[in-house]
Amino acid sequence: GENVEQHPSTLSVQEGDSAVIKCTYSDSASNYFPWYKQELGKRPQLIIDIRSNVGEKKDQRIAVTLNKTAKHFSLHITETQPEDSAVYFCAGIQGAQKLVFGQGTRLTINP
Amino acid sequence: AAGVIQSPRHLIKEKRETATLKCYPIPRHDTVYWYQQGPGQDPQFLISFYEKMQSDKGSIPDRFSAQQFSDYHSELNMSSLELGDSALYFCASSSGATTGELFFGEGSRLTVL
Repeated sequence: GENVEQHPSTLSVQEGDSAVIKCTYSDSASNYFPWYKQELGKRPQLIIDIRSNVGEKKDQRIAVTLNKTAKHFSLHITETQPEDSAVYFCAGIQGAQKLVFGQGTRLTINP
Repeated sequence: AAGVIQSPRHLIKEKRETATLKCYPIPRHDTVYWYQQGPGQDPQFLISFYEKMQSDKGSIPDRFSAQQFSDYHSELNMSSLELGDSALYFCASSSGATTGELFFGEGSRLTVL
């Protein structure tokens, strides 16, 4: 089945700097890669996703890149703000529609 | 817009008791997923249903069972509760027409004492 590895597990950046989180996946048949942001005790919220027919997608300060050959995808957050502090999860699709999550990255933005 | 509704939001049980969590998906969504998230852990897939039939099964203990009803709501039944079952339980729904876009409920926090 699908296995998603995520790193780093923790990331601390200065406000205004960029943050990059990387994930690798094992199932070459996976075709959908979402990123979720989760604040403490709250539900995961979809912030951006990418499908396997594109290599990059951008939404304001957030971008995701996908390298199908290497089977990895990355989340890029530019001009980070304190409200970006949260746990971020990448995920891949296994089977029909089951999401398999990465281990999560705790992002801390230092003012 | 209507979201995924979960109840109860908080639940406290004793060891060996039973608990039932409910999930009401977004209208016209035909697929429901259950995830378990322990403290500091990533969400772990338990089970999913598509059109009222079990579609996939993950790391769900034999003590747990679930079903999806004719109105598409789903219930997760947990018996012989153990301390390790304390976690946030998320339900998510999606439309079979759109691969992968899961919408999560607020979660049900189960505490087993």
